[in-house]
Amino acid sequence: GAGVSQSPSNKVTEKGKDVELRCDPISGHTALYWYRQRLGQGLEFLIYFQGNSAPDKSGLPSDRFSAERTGESVSTLTIQRTQQEDSAVYLCASSGTIVNYGYTFGSGTRLTVV
Amino acid sequence: AQSVTQPDIHITVSEGASLELRCNYSYGATPYLFWYVQSPGQGLQLLLKYFSGDTLVQGIKGFEAEFKRSQSSFNLRKPSVHWSDAAEYFCAVVRDDKIIFGKGTRLHILP
Repeated sequence: GAGVSQSPSNKVTEKGKDVELRCDPISGHTALYWYRQRLGQGLEFLIYFQGNSAPDKSGLPSDRFSAERTGESVSTLTIQRTQQEDSAVYLCASSGTIVNYGYTFGSGTRLTVV
Repeated sequence: AQSVTQPDIHITVSEGASLELRCNYSYGATPYLFWYVQSPGQGLQLLLKYFSGDTLVQGIKGFEAEFKRSQSSFNLRKPSVHWSDAAEYFCAVVRDDKIIFGKGTRLHILP
């Protein structure tokens, strides 16, 4: 597509429920990144994919968080047993093979855990 | 390890005044540096980037940034701000095949 698409744009869930966040990168972009932005905070790296593999998962905050990418396109970030501290905007970005040129970000998914 | 430091959490300037947002990095002898802007309710937009060569780089919306290796800095400047520049600004550096962001500087514009 023309840009990075994320869905849903907003998600309200009850504590303890599982959620899935979706990211559809720019067509042809091999690298895909997930970040978390808590209210009033900077961007916190979670995980990135190069193709279908995830060379760096170092930012995933706990084993409740997981992500997958299939077909070098869509990625899904799953949060199990959500907690209130998971409330944040989850941003996805994609880039071509050279990250040094910068990313294109999606508009994010605002997750609220009540 | 902290890679990017933005020492100012908030900056307030009057419309029409000049602006400088500070950024210091601590990673890489030849860093790849960026400035992104996040307007209220908007996604992140790339303002400019530095790889090598000319240390003064021009970006969109009239912004520029100067890379100073001796000071490990990459400060963002604009000669005259507009009310629409009110936003959060993030300095960032490439580290280990991903972009690491500073904590951001929120810019407020006085009419």
